[in-house]
Amino acid sequence: KQEVTQIPAALSVPEGENLVLNCSFTDSAIYNLQWFRQDPGKGLTSLLLIQSSQREQTSGRLNASLDKSSGRSTLYIAASQPGDSATYLCGASGSRLTFGEGTQLTVNP
Amino acid sequence: GAVVSQHPSRVICKSGTSVKIECRSLDFQATTMFWYRQFPKQSLMLMATSNEGSKATYEQGVEKDKFLINHASLTLSTLTVTSAHPEDSSFYICSAQPGQGHTGELFFGEGSRLTVL
Repeated sequence: KQEVTQIPAALSVPEGENLVLNCSFTDSAIYNLQWFRQDPGKGLTSLLLIQSSQREQTSGRLNASLDKSSGRSTLYIAASQPGDSATYLCGASGSRLTFGEGTQLTVNP
Repeated sequence: GAVVSQHPSRVICKSGTSVKIECRSLDFQATTMFWYRQFPKQSLMLMATSNEGSKATYEQGVEKDKFLINHASLTLSTLTVTSAHPEDSSFYICSAQPGQGHTGELFFGEGSRLTVL
């Protein structure tokens, strides 16, 4: 059974900092890994999708990496802004999409 | 990205009544849609996989007679919470992906918050 863990559970940083969110998964037999953003009371917004054959994906200030062999993915956010404040979830897609508990990010002005 | 729409976004009902939540893929066809439940400050829990034209596949511990899923077309899946009770109060989210299989990107609806009085 796939288990996904996200560290840290919560993170508070001043505006402008670069930061890294971590995601680990126990079963490396995945099709892809997806990072999402969830604002309070809202659904999930897909940020980045990394296929199992890929090492990283970039979109704007976001960069996600994937190391299947070690069961790890990281989401790097450059020059953080208050608007980045949200909960970030990673999901490992095997027979089903398994989510981590999320990292609640607060970027302070 | 692709758009998935959920309706209603919020619903309040009395105990014992049934509530239907719709999930629509607006600009793509989805053979498979997924229904999740999310408790406060927790991650999403997969309830069931909705398959167009066939029965849904429920996760262990999810009552199929309680949570009725119908996937009548390639763009619409519905979740009906039957005889709702206060413990069914939760945030329900659906997702869908274009095409078939598990290799594609999943897109999520905005979620539906159910409150059972």
